[in-house]
Amino acid sequence: AQTVTQSQPEMSVQEAETVTLSCTYDTSENNYYLFWYKQPPSRQMILVIRQEAYKQQNATENRFSVNFQKAAKSFSLKISDSQLGDTAMYFCAFSGNTPLVFGKGTRLSVIA
Amino acid sequence: GAGVSQSPSNKVTEKGKDVELRCDPISGHTALYWYRQSLGQGLEFLIYFQGNSAPDKSGLPSDRFSAERTGGSVSTLTIQRTQQEDSAVYLCASSSQGTGGAFDYGYTFGSGTRLTVV
Repeated sequence: AQTVTQSQPEMSVQEAETVTLSCTYDTSENNYYLFWYKQPPSRQMILVIRQEAYKQQNATENRFSVNFQKAAKSFSLKISDSQLGDTAMYFCAFSGNTPLVFGKGTRLSVIA
Repeated sequence: GAGVSQSPSNKVTEKGKDVELRCDPISGHTALYWYRQSLGQGLEFLIYFQGNSAPDKSGLPSDRFSAERTGGSVSTLTIQRTQQEDSAVYLCASSSQGTGGAFDYGYTFGSGTRLTVV
């Protein structure tokens, strides 16, 4: 069974600084997708970024980028120029041949 | 609709009562998922519907939980004889294709139903 581990329950960052959230996963599949979701206090899960495992190039979406290390089964999220609106829970998720499997999340606080 | 709609937004019920939670997915999305999020925890998979196939019920925690999807659209999650440990946020999501597809663009989630059993 696939597992997703987020080892940082809480993190904080100063506004305009850069922060990296860690995620590791375990799978025997070769083709899969990885995602980062953001959950603000509104509870709505918002897709931040997506990575296809067969692509070596790291995905980037504006201020959000990932460092995907397939051999190490690592998928970290880097947020540049952090903004107060980035304050939220962040969940790493794995998608293979089963419904999305989520990590337990990292609570990120951006401090003014 | 433009997004996934869930109702009610909040529900308080007495222990032992039955509750029904509703999910209206994005029109045209063939796959629908229910997850449970307990306080401070990640999302726990409950059940998955894909088109006309038999649902994947592997995540349902007990036989008090059931779900149906009528007409390939609206889904209802039913919890019978609620217990205090059922208190959580129940999230519904939909996607344009199910798991194991050639392309996976992730799910679109609703805002959830916060269930409190007192």
